[in-house]
Amino acid sequence: AQKITQTQPGMFVQEKEAVTLDCTYDTSDQSYGLFWYKQPSSGEMIFLIYQGSYDEQNATEGRYSLNFQKARKSANLVISASQLGDSAMYFCAMREGPLDDMRFGAGTRLTVKP
Amino acid sequence: NAGVTQTPKFQVLKTGQSMTLQCAQDMNHEYMSWYRQDPGMGLRLIHYSVGAGITDQGEVPNGYNVSRSTTEDFPLRLLSAAPSQTSVYFCASSYPGSGSHTDTQYFGPGTRLTVL
Repeated sequence: AQKITQTQPGMFVQEKEAVTLDCTYDTSDQSYGLFWYKQPSSGEMIFLIYQGSYDEQNATEGRYSLNFQKARKSANLVISASQLGDSAMYFCAMREGPLDDMRFGAGTRLTVKP
Repeated sequence: NAGVTQTPKFQVLKTGQSMTLQCAQDMNHEYMSWYRQDPGMGLRLIHYSVGAGITDQGEVPNGYNVSRSTTEDFPLRLLSAAPSQTSVYFCASSYPGSGSHTDTQYFGPGTRLTVL
């Protein structure tokens, strides 16, 4: 079964600095997708970024980038120039082949300090 | 588009009561799913559906039923509520329905359920 591990229960970062949130995954499939979601204190789940296992380039979406190291099975989220509004829970997730469900890590709570 | 909507936002039940959590989406997404979120455990899949008339179990299906009579709606039924079902419930959907790993799931706002 696929498994997602986020080893950082909580992280702090100074405003305007960059931060990396760690995610490792376990799968025997060659084809899979990796996702990051943000959950602010209001509770909604917001999709941030996606990386496919066959994508050669690291995904980027504005201030978010995904540091994908396939051999190490890691998919770390990098947030550049942190803002106070980035304070939230962040979840890493993975989805394997067709008709498969999405599995989530336990999450990392990021706090941005002014 | 309203996206994925869920009702109610909050609900308190007594042990043994039954209820239905509603979920609807207006994006013509074939794939819909229900998750529960508990502290320190991320989101866990309860049931999912790849299209009208087709449902399947996820990681934690016990105590829950689902049906999918239309593309738009995917209600979750709690048969006999237990305190262990106190959680936040999220409905999600994705397109185009092949279930490919490229399909990003979009989430509803969640329902916070307390079972006394």
